[in-house]
Amino acid sequence: QSALTQTASVSGSPGQSITISCTGTSSDVGRYDYVSWYQQHPNKAPKLMIYDVTKRPSGVSDRFSGSKSGNTASLTISGLQAEDEGDYYCASYATSTPWLFGGGTKVTVL
Amino acid sequence: QVTLTESGPALVKPTQTLTLTCTFSGFSLSTSGMCVTWIRQAPGKALEWLARIDWDDAKYYHTSLKTRLKISRASSTNQVVLTMTDVDPVDTATYYCARNVLGAKYSLIYWGQGTLVTVSS
Repeated sequence: QSALTQTASVSGSPGQSITISCTGTSSDVGRYDYVSWYQQHPNKAPKLMIYDVTKRPSGVSDRFSGSKSGNTASLTISGLQAEDEGDYYCASYATSTPWLFGGGTKVTVL
Repeated sequence: QVTLTESGPALVKPTQTLTLTCTFSGFSLSTSGMCVTWIRQAPGKALEWLARIDWDDAKYYHTSLKTRLKISRASSTNQVVLTMTDVDPVDTATYYCARNVLGAKYSLIYWGQGTLVTVSS
């Protein structure tokens, strides 16, 4: 089972909006509403940003939002801030193996 | 306050068995809907899901690694143990344990700080 496909890098200026995509198949992202997103800063543990496609944990800024269309899930960060810089990973329940992560997207704030 | 702490050897030789312990506090794994998951991350690489144990003792494993992995819990000591047999240098990684959002099995909201394991002779 292959990892979910994410764009390697995305950049934006402060205040802009960016979208990170996560492409899977009809056996994972396309079939189940169990997509989650994680932010990771260097040498830190990941932080949950979105789960079950659109749900935001308490304490996570409403600048972060999730969506899904077909086999592709997306994480949108609006009003980009310097602290948003880091690596972002998507994950999804999958038929073939209980859980798959994406390859990660490096977000750079210009 | 929920905390999770991973512990285990920093260095393991190839072909040996790796045993990692996740010691947690602030919740009970016996609570319906609770799950503890192990994830790893090789240096400079992406996250990789390994195994999960649920409140009802259901266990799930990464399909490609299931013959080498075993997850178990010691409820009396609030610990979850992951063993990995026949380790190889490619198993060198930071190993994390994490807990889900209660009732949402496919989410990892509380994470330990991770423990780096190097496999080398």
